[in-house]
Amino acid sequence: GAVVSQHPSRVICKSGTSVKIECRSLDFQATTMFWYRQFPKQSLMLMATSNEGSKATYEQGVEKDKFLINHASLTLSTLTVTSAHPEDSSFYICSATGYNNEQFFGPGTRLTVL
Amino acid sequence: GNSVTQMEGPVTLSEEAFLTINCTYTATGYPSLFWYVQYPGEGLQLLLKATKADDKGSNKGFEATYRKETTSFHLEKGSVQVSDSAVYFCALRSKTSYDKVIFGPGTSLSVIP
Repeated sequence: GAVVSQHPSRVICKSGTSVKIECRSLDFQATTMFWYRQFPKQSLMLMATSNEGSKATYEQGVEKDKFLINHASLTLSTLTVTSAHPEDSSFYICSATGYNNEQFFGPGTRLTVL
Repeated sequence: GNSVTQMEGPVTLSEEAFLTINCTYTATGYPSLFWYVQYPGEGLQLLLKATKADDKGSNKGFEATYRKETTSFHLEKGSVQVSDSAVYFCALRSKTSYDKVIFGPGTSLSVIP
């Protein structure tokens, strides 16, 4: 079946630094990828829709200059959390739309900002 | 806009008990409906889905039927196991929301021996 990977799985960084998270579709091409964040014991909230070769579409309330998304190829989308602060600590999950228009989710990246 | 509502958790059951997690949705058009499961510390896994009214999704003993008349997609399992302990998310996806997956708040299930 289709597999989506994320790297890193966990990252701890100091406040003020930037962190890049990669999302890859391993065995299929994905023109559209989605980025979600999940706070402890809460549901997933969609942050943005990433389209290959064009600018990402952000959900209301999500700062596009804070969360930079680049969909460089049909198998890779990156989310960069710029100038991270403790309130950005969360579980970030990506998904990719594959064959049959089904969405496949990555395993998530746990970000902790000290 | 589109939304998903789930019963509040946490739910605690004894092994072999019957499970029902209620889910209702609001959507324009004809959404596809999903149940995802998230085990502790892990990402999401698709548990089952249904793409049109009266469809029944099933997997690993879990079932859910797409009821358009009641806008519901309740998850059921006849006999739960300790290994079913996880958080369960009901979700929908619709062309009218640009194929975004809209998640419910999640229901935490704990099964005790």
